[in-house]
Amino acid sequence: KAGVTQTPRYLIKTRGQQVTLSCSPISGHRSVSWYQQTPGQGLQFLFEYFSETQRNKGNFPGRFSGRQFSNSRSEMNVSTLELGDSALYLCASSKTGQMNTGELFFGEGSRLTVL
Amino acid sequence: GNSVTQMEGPVTLSEEAFLTINCTYTATGYPSLFWYVQYPGEGLQLLLKATKADDKGSNKGFEATYRKETTSFHLEKGSVQVSDSAVYFCALSDPGGATNKLIFGTGTLLAVQP
Repeated sequence: KAGVTQTPRYLIKTRGQQVTLSCSPISGHRSVSWYQQTPGQGLQFLFEYFSETQRNKGNFPGRFSGRQFSNSRSEMNVSTLELGDSALYLCASSKTGQMNTGELFFGEGSRLTVL
Repeated sequence: GNSVTQMEGPVTLSEEAFLTINCTYTATGYPSLFWYVQYPGEGLQLLLKATKADDKGSNKGFEATYRKETTSFHLEKGSVQVSDSAVYFCALSDPGGATNKLIFGTGTLLAVQP
């Protein structure tokens, strides 16, 4: 079956612009999480959605936002881009809402470069 | 707060050598523990997991045991192959369990030479 699909795979923006990243989870998965991966900070949790509701949010400024649609697809948005937002953004989906019974399946990521 | 500490890389080994990547954690309660692997140019894949103390996770010749007394989850493999070259991440889940949030270590790059 198809894995987690993220679009776009690569994008370049300039400071002050905004960006929207999309994630299509594995069919049947209701949970979608987003992570930011950078060489300096590693993998950091952004937020998690389950059945269209944000269940958890990481320690990121309000410029980072997300949503989940009724078909479980998710988008994240970053407004007023800063140089430090350059990163690989990873989306992960899971069938269950609990990690002790589930597994996260990751997409290949969207690599954002901010100039 | 909850955190994961894993050994700095890179770790460079010859093929068929024994591998250990150390991972320790700090958490309130009883989290589940995971090892994820990221091959070049790919997303993360679950390698193995353990959900309670003394559980041993295993997959593809890799093993890790959930040690509550030492708060550790070290990854081991008896004989590494060139194809094992990747970045390995140790992670823990929120001890409450009602979330898919993971806290990751910084990752350890493993390079296996033929």
